[in-house]
Amino acid sequence: GESVGLHLPTLSVQEGDNSIINCAYSNSASDYFIWYKQESGKGPQFIIDIRSNMDKRQGQRVTVLLNKTVKHLSLQIAATQPGDSAVYFCAENLASFGNQFYFGTGTSLTVIP
Amino acid sequence: GAGVSQSPRYKVAKRGQDVALRCDPISGHVSLFWYQQALGQGPEFLTYFQNEAQLDKSGLPSDRFFAERPEGSVSTLKIQRTQQEDSAVYLCASSLGEVETQYFGPGTRLLVL
Repeated sequence: GESVGLHLPTLSVQEGDNSIINCAYSNSASDYFIWYKQESGKGPQFIIDIRSNMDKRQGQRVTVLLNKTVKHLSLQIAATQPGDSAVYFCAENLASFGNQFYFGTGTSLTVIP
Repeated sequence: GAGVSQSPRYKVAKRGQDVALRCDPISGHVSLFWYQQALGQGPEFLTYFQNEAQLDKSGLPSDRFFAERPEGSVSTLKIQRTQQEDSAVYLCASSLGEVETQYFGPGTRLLVL
């Protein structure tokens, strides 16, 4: 099957710093990506999405960048706060494979006060 | 409005017991998905409904797993003759249409002893 992988399993940042979480995908046909945040004991929470016809999308304190040339996705969190501590997943949709999303293993973000 | 809800939140079953997990999607959402999440891993697709039709069940690990959505809203995931390897968090997600943002419930944590 197709793989969605994350470069780093853990990331620690100081409160107030910016965070960058990276994700690699293997299928150039993937056309829709979502970043999810999952806190302990909770379901994944939607953060931001991007379709393959875009390179960048911004939300509140978050930016997703898509580099289709190298099949790379990143999530940037500005002014990271303790409440941002969680596991972050990128999820990939391959339209030709159906409507389900394929998730990576996740990156655990810890914000140090 | 209310998000996706799941019940029970926790279930302990003896090996060989049958279990039923319930999902109430967001009202009006056409698509409903079930995922299985093992400890420390990302969610893995199990099955997908569009209204009452089960369009994809390719992710169900065995014929002991069965899902239904008879009226196109509430869905039930049933696992027969549970095994220890079935222990996981079972997540339900719904979306307004096809290949759109999926909103997740809190999950049901199943422990098979």
